[in-house]
Amino acid sequence: DSGVTQTPKHLITATGQRVTLRCSPRSGDLSVYWYQQSLDQGLQFLIQYYNGEERAKGNILERFSAQQFPDLHSELNLSSLELGDSALYFCASSGPGLAPRSSYNEQFFGPGTRLTVL
Amino acid sequence: AQKVTQAQTEISVVEKEDVTLDCVYETRDTTYYLFWYKQPPSGELVFLIRRNSFDEQNEISGRYSWNFQKSTSSFNFTITASQVVDSAVYFCALSEADRGGSEKLVFGKGTKLTVNP
Repeated sequence: DSGVTQTPKHLITATGQRVTLRCSPRSGDLSVYWYQQSLDQGLQFLIQYYNGEERAKGNILERFSAQQFPDLHSELNLSSLELGDSALYFCASSGPGLAPRSSYNEQFFGPGTRLTVL
Repeated sequence: AQKVTQAQTEISVVEKEDVTLDCVYETRDTTYYLFWYKQPPSGELVFLIRRNSFDEQNEISGRYSWNFQKSTSSFNFTITASQVVDSAVYFCALSEADRGGSEKLVFGKGTKLTVNP
């Protein structure tokens, strides 16, 4: 158990709908990363938040947004869903600070949320 | 730009065979980290190893070993005496500590390993 929790575990919805995925980081971790694993794109980085602020952005669609709340949990909002958004969405946390370039903060992955868009 | 290439899409072996999973990476940074993750059929990502760019020592952990060669930008993973439980998708990943402090991971496409009894 990594200490990172994600809810829900599975989500089935229809095209055009909006869903929210939730992630609770490990206690003390300030960074939350979101990754998407799809059949065609593989595992790719979407976005990172650090202590409530957006830190880095990857290949995240404009229909997707995220935020990190004061209690450090994060939500990934996916709207106007399309069939191609069906994927496994992982959250990872690290921290407590930002590592200097000579070091590295391990990322601990949650179990993922499997989204199916019908 | 960072890139990780796992040229082997699928590998199938018979139990007790040794198998090597290849990983080639591209980066312009001198400080970076390389990883291997295992994704069993249940779907979770299991961390296996991390190496930094300044440590080229090979590592062995039980039946697992890793060969890091900066000269060829490769970080290969060998499983000795494979077992059915080793069947999974294995991902190689790269992280640069960028100026903004983000340590996002760039993953390869993965190699699906099937170990047959």
